[in-house]
Amino acid sequence: EAGVAQSPRYKIIEKRQSVAFWCNPISGHATLYWYQQILGQGPKLLIQFQNNGVVDDSQLPKDRFSAERLKGVDSTLKIQPAKLEDSAVYLCASSLSDGTDTQYFGPGTRLTVL
Amino acid sequence: GQNIDQPTEMTATEGAIVQINCTYQTSGFNGLFWYQQHAGEAPTFLSYNVLDGLEEKGRFSSFLSRSKGYSYLLLKELQMKDSASYLCAVRADYKLSFGAGTTVTVRA
Repeated sequence: EAGVAQSPRYKIIEKRQSVAFWCNPISGHATLYWYQQILGQGPKLLIQFQNNGVVDDSQLPKDRFSAERLKGVDSTLKIQPAKLEDSAVYLCASSLSDGTDTQYFGPGTRLTVL
Repeated sequence: GQNIDQPTEMTATEGAIVQINCTYQTSGFNGLFWYQQHAGEAPTFLSYNVLDGLEEKGRFSSFLSRSKGYSYLLLKELQMKDSASYLCAVRADYKLSFGAGTTVTVRA
């Protein structure tokens, strides 16, 4: 069974530029999560989708971050404009049905903002 | 939010046993997870506890005491490949919150 796919794996941009990350969850998984993991910290949930609807985006900095999952399968996370403090690994995870299931993580995108 | 505490670092010798403690304060508790994360890689699921007691899975065991807000992950017969960060994650109101992780270094 294929795991969670993410691209790109690495991205380096300058502050104030825009960047987008892509995630394809495990086939059949209804719930998709985006996390931000700053070096030395645990992952922090940014947004949770169930199918194509947003379940929780309370910790998403909505002035610069946006995410969509239009067809209820793959998802994109965008940052516009980026700040230095956005340098982190962005992890995508998926689970079978809802928040009661185990989450499986993708390899992440390491973002460096200069 | 949750208050999840775990030690920052632990070092142990190959073949030994290491116990990683995790304490938490939360309401709406739905379960506790342990994940392993090798440097530069994604977290991988190790164990899940929702009821009090010990769950054993090969060389890894996880314990939970809900009344004490306490869990531990026990790694037995340590191997070099077990050198990684171990993340304690608490699910409350069906949302997962992670601790900062414990970096375990296994020495020969």
